[in-house]
Amino acid sequence: QVQLVQSGAEVKKPGASVKVSCKASGYTFTSYGISWVRQAPGQGLEWMGWISAYNGNTNYAQKLQGRVTVTTDTSTSTAYMELRSLRSDDTAVYYCARDWRSYCNYLDYWGQGTLVTVSS
Amino acid sequence: EIVLTQSPGTLSLSPGERATLSCRASQSVSSSYLAWYQQKRGQAPRLLIYGASSRATGIPDRFSGSGSGTDFTLTISRLEPEDFAVYYCQQYGSSLETFGQGTKVEIK
Repeated sequence: QVQLVQSGAEVKKPGASVKVSCKASGYTFTSYGISWVRQAPGQGLEWMGWISAYNGNTNYAQKLQGRVTVTTDTSTSTAYMELRSLRSDDTAVYYCARDWRSYCNYLDYWGQGTLVTVSS
Repeated sequence: EIVLTQSPGTLSLSPGERATLSCRASQSVSSSYLAWYQQKRGQAPRLLIYGASSRATGIPDRFSGSGSGTDFTLTISRLEPEDFAVYYCQQYGSSLETFGQGTKVEIK
C-alpha cells in the first residue's frame, strides 16, 4: 500500500533552517511528483511547492520563492523540503503529498504531517 | 496566481441534510485541474473529487462535484455523522497550485 512517512517534529529558532523528509513506499517513486503543503495552527492549507521525482523539475509558491527548496533522493524514494530564514509565522504542520500532474491533477496520498515550531 | 474563494465559511446542517459548497476562482480553471479534499481535526487531508467531478477511490457516491470555468460546487447529498469536517478546493494552473480557504461543515 502507498505510504508517505515524514520525519519527526522540530523546534527551531527564528532565522534558522529546517529540513523535513518524506519517505515514500508502495509505488514507483519516479512516476509521480511530490507536493509540500503546510497548515498554520487553526488555518487552512497552503501549497508550498512541487517536485517531479522523475526529472527533478520544481515549482514554488511565489510567496516562498527563495526560502524553500524541495529535493528528492530517488535511491531511497525520499523527498525533502528545506525552509530557510524561519520566522514565527512559519510555525505549522508540514505535509508531503503524492502529486499526480498529467491530464488531471490531484494529491491522493498524504504524509502524517510534521509539526515545525519556530520560537525564540 | 489563481485565488480560490470558498463559501460559505461555515455551514451548519443536520445529519441527513444536503450540503452545497461553493468554490469560485479569480480566473478560469480547467475542470481537469480542480479537486476537493476533506480534512478532519488532527488528520491529513483526504482526496474526495478530482477533475471537478470524478470521485476518488473509495469515496461514497453521496459526494459529487460539478462546475466549470470559475464556479465549482461540491455537493454532499445526505450528510452522515462522519462528513462533518472542513472541505477545501484546490486548483493547478500555470505550474502553480492553490487551495481555497476552506468551508467548515458543522452539526447544527
